[in-house]
Amino acid sequence: GAVVSQHPSWVICKSGTSVKIECRSLDFQATTMFWYRQFPKQSLMLMATSNEGSKATYEQGVEKDKFLINHASLTLSTLTVTSAHPEDSSFYICSARTSGGATDTQYFGPGTRLTVL
Amino acid sequence: EDQVTQSPEALRLQEGESSSLNCSYTVSGLRGLFWYRQDPGKGPEFLFTLYSAGEEKEKERLKATLTKKESFLHITAPKPEDSATYLCAVRGNNAGNMLTFGGGTRLMVKP
Repeated sequence: GAVVSQHPSWVICKSGTSVKIECRSLDFQATTMFWYRQFPKQSLMLMATSNEGSKATYEQGVEKDKFLINHASLTLSTLTVTSAHPEDSSFYICSARTSGGATDTQYFGPGTRLTVL
Repeated sequence: EDQVTQSPEALRLQEGESSSLNCSYTVSGLRGLFWYRQDPGKGPEFLFTLYSAGEEKEKERLKATLTKKESFLHITAPKPEDSATYLCAVRGNNAGNMLTFGGGTRLMVKP
């Protein structure tokens, strides 16, 4: 299957700092990428959808100024958590959708564990 | 609004004890039902996509089936390494690019 990578796999930062997480589709071009957040023992919560070259679409309740998403190319999307606070600590997972069509599939990255002290 | 309900929430099996996981859904025009496996601390791993009622797909000890209301993930003679959380998701006509996920079934297979 298609491969999606994330970097870093884990990060610990101080409150008030910003953290950038990269998501790459390694062997396919992804016109659409997604960012999810997952709390312990809970299912995935969609934060935003990003299309290459355009502004991300954020889900209700997700602060767009806090979670900055850039989808600069067909293989790279970044999520920047600005002025992080302890409540932002979570498992962040990106996903990339294979290009259009009726049989496209979403593949997920390995996730990034963010801990804000 | 698309909805997905998975049952049971947790399932304990002995090694070799076959069973099934259920995914019930309501969706406006199904464009795909997806099964993923997620291990602790990792992202979901894609297993299957099903598109129409009656469709079946198999991979090793796993077999996914689909009806107009639900999907089953059958696990035949499971091994401890099959222990994971299994997630079901649907994409409907009204959802655009979005997947709607169920709450998952946490499977534990004991040797």
